[in-house]
Amino acid sequence: KAGVTQTPRYLIKTRGQQVTLSCSPISGHRSVSWYQQTPGQGLQFLFEYFSETQRNKGNFPGRFSGRQFSNSRSEMNVSTLELGDSALYLCASSLEAGHQETQYFGPGTRLLVL
Amino acid sequence: AQSVTQLGSHVSVSEGALVLLRCNYSSSVPPYLFWYVQYPNQGLQLLLKYTSAATLVKGINGFEAEFKKSETSFHLTKPSAHMSDAAEYFCAVKRANTGNQFYFGTGTSLTVIP
Repeated sequence: KAGVTQTPRYLIKTRGQQVTLSCSPISGHRSVSWYQQTPGQGLQFLFEYFSETQRNKGNFPGRFSGRQFSNSRSEMNVSTLELGDSALYLCASSLEAGHQETQYFGPGTRLLVL
Repeated sequence: AQSVTQLGSHVSVSEGALVLLRCNYSSSVPPYLFWYVQYPNQGLQLLLKYTSAATLVKGINGFEAEFKKSETSFHLTKPSAHMSDAAEYFCAVKRANTGNQFYFGTGTSLTVIP
């Protein structure tokens, strides 16, 4: 079974632009979560989607948004990029949305904002 | 609030020596605890997880962790370090009322000296 895939793997943008990142979960998984990883703040939860509905949201500004499609693929969007948005964005999927579920992470998208 | 603390941001061991990476959690209820490993330029890979079935949890690559409620700890160990174990290790916790949201520790970078 293929793992979690994220596209693109690397991205360079300039301040003020917007960006869309894509995540395809493991086949059959219905929950997708997004995390931001930076050297200063570590791994921080962005949001979780399950059956096309956002179930939980972390403490990020409204510039960060996401959605999930009927095939469970998910996208996250960051508008009006800031230098501080440079990070590794990780997507994780699980079968269901319960706290006991094992989540499987993708390789991440590394975003550099200039 | 439920969080984890990883003591020691950098740990160095000799090849063949015991690996001990420390993780303490703060929680008023039994948590779900996880250890993930991250190799350079990759996503997170699950090593093991504790879900209250057994206090000693065995994971992949010879790693294991013991849940000690009295010490609120979930330290990761491996009897004999291998060069391929060099990576970043993250302890993470979930709480029952926030579904799939992970709270990650700050990570421990393991160096294995030949």
